Amino acid sequence: EDQVTQSPEALRLQEGESSSLNCSYTVSGLRGLFWYRQDPGKGPEFLFTLYSAGEEKEKERLKATLTKKESFLHITAPKPEDSATYLCAVRTNFGNEKLTFGTGTRLTIIP
Amino acid sequence: DAGITQSPRYKITETGRQVTLMCHQTWSHSYMFWYRQDLGHGLRLIYYSAAADITDKGEVPDGYVVSRSKTENFPLTLESATRSQTSVYFCASSESPDTQYFGPGTRLTVL
Repeated sequence: EDQVTQSPEALRLQEGESSSLNCSYTVSGLRGLFWYRQDPGKGPEFLFTLYSAGEEKEKERLKATLTKKESFLHITAPKPEDSATYLCAVRTNFGNEKLTFGTGTRLTIIP
Repeated sequence: DAGITQSPRYKITETGRQVTLMCHQTWSHSYMFWYRQDLGHGLRLIYYSAAADITDKGEVPDGYVVSRSKTENFPLTLESATRSQTSVYFCASSESPDTQYFGPGTRLTVL
């Protein structure tokens, strides 16, 4: 069974304090790993898709990386508006169109 | 640019009643999805559709019915609501199965 585990569950950082969120996965044939941002009371907002180990993608203060077993979402010099829950999801060769989501990391940036 | 909308945004119903959650997208995306989000479980796929008149079960389909007579609409019906179906429901759409774009969600409470 495909599994996605995100850590930590919650993270509090001072504004400007860089850190990383982890998404580890156990799947049978990865076809894509996805990062979403979710603000309270809203739907997930797409951030990145990574397809192969070694791939990296960046958007403003966020950079996502992928290895064969995990993905990291690096946040550089975060601002309070980066506070949100960050979700990781995987699509596999045998899961058809299904995305399997982790339970997310709740990030709080303190001014 | 309306994107993807869901209605109602909030719904309170009673055990045993039928309730339908609506999802509408303006992008003419082929794929549409229904997820539920519960604490500790993350997002779980209920049903998805690859095109009009084509639907398939996801991870937690029991107690739900879907239809897709038009590309832009994907209603989700709870035939006889139960308390365990209290949740936040998200609809998503995608041109390919990979990058899914989510609606704002419907918070459903079953008393």
